[in-house]
Amino acid sequence: DVKVTQSSRYLVKRTGEKVFLECVQDMDHENMFWYRQDPGLGLRLIYFSYDVKMKEKGDIPEGYSVSREKKERFSLILESASTNQTSMYLCASSTQGTGAVDTQYFGPGTRLTVL
Amino acid sequence: GQNIDQPTEMTATEGAIVQINCTYQTSGFNGLFWYQQHAGEAPTFLSYNVLDGLEEKGRFSSFLSRSKGYSYLLLKELQMKDSASYLCAVSFGWGKLQFGAGTQVVVTP
Repeated sequence: DVKVTQSSRYLVKRTGEKVFLECVQDMDHENMFWYRQDPGLGLRLIYFSYDVKMKEKGDIPEGYSVSREKKERFSLILESASTNQTSMYLCASSTQGTGAVDTQYFGPGTRLTVL
Repeated sequence: GQNIDQPTEMTATEGAIVQINCTYQTSGFNGLFWYQQHAGEAPTFLSYNVLDGLEEKGRFSSFLSRSKGYSYLLLKELQMKDSASYLCAVSFGWGKLQFGAGTQVVVTP
């Protein structure tokens, strides 16, 4: 079974703090993704990576950066947390290819609250 | 860009059938996914369609019409545990998915 883990289920930070969210997958997947999920808006892609040290902006990259130094690990960084970044953050991974192999497998999510 | 629409909420009774519609307008289409997400949990994969027609998996079926930009997820013999949010997502290249806002299905006794 694919396993995607995230470093924290719940996190509370203060405005202006630097925040690191870690994601690890154990299936040797090439692609990794960071989303945020807000009520009524669904999942929105922040960044994705299709290889080590490669990253691409998603739909809402502002205020975020990412790091992928190893294939199994993809980190999301909030350089200076703000209250509008309070959200559920979901990490996902998938293999590269076409068709159902593109299926993304999700981690349990990190609910981040910025005060 | 991508535009994906699905109803916000649907209610049905245990044992009934519910059909969740999803319409999309995309600039590129590789396939359509359906995910299930229980409250407080991660989305889990339900089904995938790339060609027109119906894919059946037990109590769940998914249909796709590429020419109409339309899909539906059919849940039969509803059970209480089917109460969840159902997410429609379009695959449009590089393994990326564009998600709809999700349909909350409430199953009542």
